[in-house]
Amino acid sequence: DVKVTQSSRYLVKRTGEKVFLECVQDMDHENMFWYRQDPGLGLRLIYFSYDVKMKEKGDIPEGYSVSREKKERFSLILESASTNQTSMYLCASSPGAATNEKLFFGSGTQLSVL
Amino acid sequence: AQKVTQAQTEISVVEKEDVTLDCVYETRDTTYYLFWYKQPPSGELVFLIRRNSFDEQNEISGRYSWNFQKSTSSFNFTITASQVVDSAVYFCALSEAGTGNQFYFGTGTSLTVIP
Repeated sequence: DVKVTQSSRYLVKRTGEKVFLECVQDMDHENMFWYRQDPGLGLRLIYFSYDVKMKEKGDIPEGYSVSREKKERFSLILESASTNQTSMYLCASSPGAATNEKLFFGSGTQLSVL
Repeated sequence: AQKVTQAQTEISVVEKEDVTLDCVYETRDTTYYLFWYKQPPSGELVFLIRRNSFDEQNEISGRYSWNFQKSTSSFNFTITASQVVDSAVYFCALSEAGTGNQFYFGTGTSLTVIP
């Protein structure tokens, strides 16, 4: 089975801190995604990547950056965390490129910015 | 504009009742894919089904069934004889052939099954 692992289940940070959310998948998937989930808003795409060192902005990239140095790892970076970035962050991966295959999700990281 | 609409925010049913979760989508592509995911309290979204736009056959998997109607742009999900373990948030999603890496999710329907 595909495993998508997010490094932390819960995280508490201070305003202004630099925050790294890590995601690793073990099935050699080409595509990786970062979403944030907020009540009443569903899942919103922050960034995605379809290859190493490639990245594409999603619907809400402001305040975030990403890094994909290795195929299996996709990191989400909050350069200077703010309270409005308190949210559940979900990482996902899928095989191939433009294949509309299903997404495999991690368990999520609940980030609280105080 | 919202590409996927799940108008039901929260639903509560008593165990063994049937329940239908609605999903309406919007796309101009002729080739697209529709998905349902389940998010239990543990947080991880679990894939339930994927349908392509050329296959309008309804599908049944145990107590779960899906009704795909292109004429009304709907892809509804029915749980028969609901159980407490069905309590979760359910998401409908759309992926278009032209933008295969992008998924558009609805806002989710929170289902509570009362014992």
